[in-house]
Amino acid sequence: RKEVEQDPGPFNVPEGATVAFNCTYSNSASQSFFWYRQDCRKEPKLLMSVYSSGNEDGRFTAQLNRASQYISLLIRDSKLSDSATYLCVVKPGGYQKVTFGTGTKLQVIP
Amino acid sequence: NAGVTQTPKFQVLKTGQSMTLQCAQDMNHEYMSWYRQDPGMGLRLIHYSVGAGITDQGEVPNGYNVSRSTTEDFPLRLLSAAPSQTSVYFCASSPGGPVKNEQFFGPGTRLTVL
Repeated sequence: RKEVEQDPGPFNVPEGATVAFNCTYSNSASQSFFWYRQDCRKEPKLLMSVYSSGNEDGRFTAQLNRASQYISLLIRDSKLSDSATYLCVVKPGGYQKVTFGTGTKLQVIP
Repeated sequence: NAGVTQTPKFQVLKTGQSMTLQCAQDMNHEYMSWYRQDPGMGLRLIHYSVGAGITDQGEVPNGYNVSRSTTEDFPLRLLSAAPSQTSVYFCASSPGGPVKNEQFFGPGTRLTVL
């Protein structure tokens, strides 16, 4: 089983829709979780960290479910500019190392 | 403030050639790392450094060398290029390591090995 798994998509959603992605991780001792965004042929950029109690940043909500070992990202009122690949990042253990998922591609259509 | 810069942006090598990918950051970050990104594989850590003079191996270090003589620079050397090293290479830096801190990525180097 991969350390971090994501549905590659693509998720095609209309503007204004709500969409959610999940990311599962295999190491129950994982401590830190992040979502990064990567536009086509560009570098990844931090979207948000994921906190144990869940957290929100505008239209974006991140949740952590330790019992089932997954994190989620919810995007409300999707915009065309949200089209990108969303990378899940987990610290599974080891000094100063994180593991990236392969990403979920989102395409918001007009 | 340029952030993280990488050169070159594109490179084509022949099998067996060597080259150095350059990475520099002007944010005084202690932690720097190199990743490669391949379709369906995600970003994989090649080497990382927690400060000048200190480097360590990541997940896929074979065929690559690094050094960190200054805080600003973290070059990645391909010793003898192979087609399996065709990939997009990203350099990243972080103020205190990627575990709790945001990583800032450079724009990437697209490398093709023939």
